[in-house]
Amino acid sequence: NAGVTQTPKFQVLKTGQSMTLQCAQDMNHEYMSWYRQDPGMGLRLIHYSVGAGITDQGEVPNGYNVSRSTTEDFPLRLLSAAPSQTSVYFCASSPGQAETQYFGPGTRLLVL
Amino acid sequence: GENVEQHPSTLSVQEGDSAVIKCTYSDSASNYFPWYKQELGKRPQLIIDIRSNVGEKKDQRIAVTLNKTAKHFSLHITETQPEDSAVYFCAARNFGNEKLTFGTGTRLTIIP
Repeated sequence: NAGVTQTPKFQVLKTGQSMTLQCAQDMNHEYMSWYRQDPGMGLRLIHYSVGAGITDQGEVPNGYNVSRSTTEDFPLRLLSAAPSQTSVYFCASSPGQAETQYFGPGTRLLVL
Repeated sequence: GENVEQHPSTLSVQEGDSAVIKCTYSDSASNYFPWYKQELGKRPQLIIDIRSNVGEKKDQRIAVTLNKTAKHFSLHITETQPEDSAVYFCAARNFGNEKLTFGTGTRLTIIP
C-alpha cells in the first residue's frame, strides 16, 4: 500500500491564482481531513469528510473548497490564493473516528 | 469548540533523562487523546494514544497519563535518546465530533 499520497510536493502561486492540492489513500479509509501547519500554530483543520459525498468545515475553511466523490480521493481547492495561505498542507485519513490518523507527506505552498 | 493548550513550547533534555510534555483541554466530553511525533521535514506520526476509560498507557519508553477531572494529559518519555528529538503534538477529540483539535506543539531537543 502507498498509504496517503499528496501532490504536488511544492508549489509557488501568485496572488489570485487557483489550484488544487491532490490527496489519495489506498487503505479504504472513510475519514479524510485537510490540515494546514504554520509555525507556532500546530495543525489546524481546514475541511474533513466522513465518507464519499460528505464533507464539512473545520476550524479554518475560508478560501478553500473540498469534494469527496470517491473514498480514495479528497482534493483541496484554493479558489483565489492569498499570501496568508502560504503554509504546509497535510492530508490525513483514518478508518474511524477515534482511530489512528495517517498523514500524507505534505504540500509546501508559497503564495507571492 | 475544543481548545487544546500544550506546554512547554520548547524543551531541552540531557540524553538519558526523562521528558514530560503537558496538555490541557477544554471540552469535558473529549474522550480520545493521541500524541504525534513530527521529525524535521516529515509528516506527523502517531506514537501513542489514550481513551478516557483508562488513566495511563505505556509503550516501552513512552507513556501517557490522563486526568479527566483536571482535563489534562501528559506525555512521558524516559531514557531519552537523540532520535527522540522532534516536535510533539497532542490532540483531543470528542467521539460525537469527527474533528481532531491539536495543540501547538513542543520542540524537544535531546542534548548528547
